[in-house]
Amino acid sequence: KQEVTQIPAALSVPEGENLVLNCSFTDSAIYNLQWFRQDPGKGLTSLLLIQSSQREQTSGRLNASLDKSSGRSTLYIAASQPGDSATYLCAIEGGGSQGNLIFGKGTKLSVKP
Amino acid sequence: AAGVIQSPRHLIKEKRETATLKCYPIPRHDTVYWYQQGPGQDPQFLISFYEKMQSDKGSIPDRFSAQQFSDYHSELNMSSLELGDSALYFCASSPRRGGGHEQFFGPGTRLTVL
Repeated sequence: KQEVTQIPAALSVPEGENLVLNCSFTDSAIYNLQWFRQDPGKGLTSLLLIQSSQREQTSGRLNASLDKSSGRSTLYIAASQPGDSATYLCAIEGGGSQGNLIFGKGTKLSVKP
Repeated sequence: AAGVIQSPRHLIKEKRETATLKCYPIPRHDTVYWYQQGPGQDPQFLISFYEKMQSDKGSIPDRFSAQQFSDYHSELNMSSLELGDSALYFCASSPRRGGGHEQFFGPGTRLTVL
């Protein structure tokens, strides 16, 4: 059974720092991995989607990498801003599934001005 | 660009009542997924539909049922509501079932059971 773990559970950094969020998964047979952002009590905003054949994806200040063989993904945020404060979730679409996503418990990021 | 629409956005019900949540996928998306996110929890997959047929089932209670209609919108019906059903319910749509296609999430319906 696929399990997704995110470390750390919470992170507080000063504005301007570069930071890395980690996601690990137990079964390397995946179709893709998605990183989401969720503000308190709000919906899920898709940030980046990495297909299993890809190694990384970039969007603005965000860069996500995928190492399927080791079961790891990282989300790199450059030059963090207070507006980046949110919970970041990674989710896996497993190879044996019909498309449903399995989520990690998220990393709550706080960027202090 | 059109997004996934969910209604209502907020719903308050009493225990043992019923609730119906609606989801309107992005045009030309034929696959719909339902997820439940309890307070402080990660989203959990409930059920999915592809081309109006149930595709996959997750941790959906027997008190819940769902269907996808001819216009591809989907409804999640919840009966005999319990306090523990209070959660954020998300609908997501995808252009195809599985196989690595990106899922696009709606804003969610916040259900509060009193």
